[in-house]
Amino acid sequence: EDQVTQSPEALRLQEGESSSLNCSYTVSGLRGLFWYRQDPGKGPEFLFTLYSAGEEKEKERLKATLTKKESFLHITAPKPEDSATYLCAVLGGSGGSNYKLTFGKGTLLTVNP
Amino acid sequence: EPEVTQTPSHQVTQMGQEVILRCVPISNHLYFYWYRQILGQKVEFLVSFYNNEISEKSEIFDDQFSVERPDGSNFTLKIRSTKLEDSAMYFCASSRDRASYTFGSGTRLTVV
Repeated sequence: EDQVTQSPEALRLQEGESSSLNCSYTVSGLRGLFWYRQDPGKGPEFLFTLYSAGEEKEKERLKATLTKKESFLHITAPKPEDSATYLCAVLGGSGGSNYKLTFGKGTLLTVNP
Repeated sequence: EPEVTQTPSHQVTQMGQEVILRCVPISNHLYFYWYRQILGQKVEFLVSFYNNEISEKSEIFDDQFSVERPDGSNFTLKIRSTKLEDSAMYFCASSRDRASYTFGSGTRLTVV
């Protein structure tokens, strides 16, 4: 069974204070690792897809990296508008079940001005 | 930017009643999904749908649940006889190629 564990559960930063969120996973046949942002009462908003170990992607203040067992979402000089829950999900599975996303519980990021 | 649209945004229903949650996926997408998120818990896969049939479903998706694409644009999730534990946010998602997934804003279902 695919598993995704995110840490920390909650993170409070001061504006400009860089940090990283962790996503560790176990999956058979990884087809992709996804990062989403979720605002309260809203659906997940796509940020990145990573496919293979060593891959990195950047978007504004966010940078996602991938190893064989975990992914990191680095936030550089965050702003209050970066406050949200960040979800990690893997696309993979076993027994022919290869196209459903398995999500972690997310990291609730709060950036104080 | 194309969006997945879900209606209603909030639905309150009495236990035992049937509900239908509606979704309009992105127009050129071929794969459709329902996920749910119970308050404080993970987003969970319910069902995937392709070529007018279910391609995969989770253990949660029992006989009380059904999906339909009645007219080529809408994608619906029906719960026949709602239970208190069905209260959750229900998210529709669609994909063109199963490599990226766009989610709607969700329907908050409250069963009382």
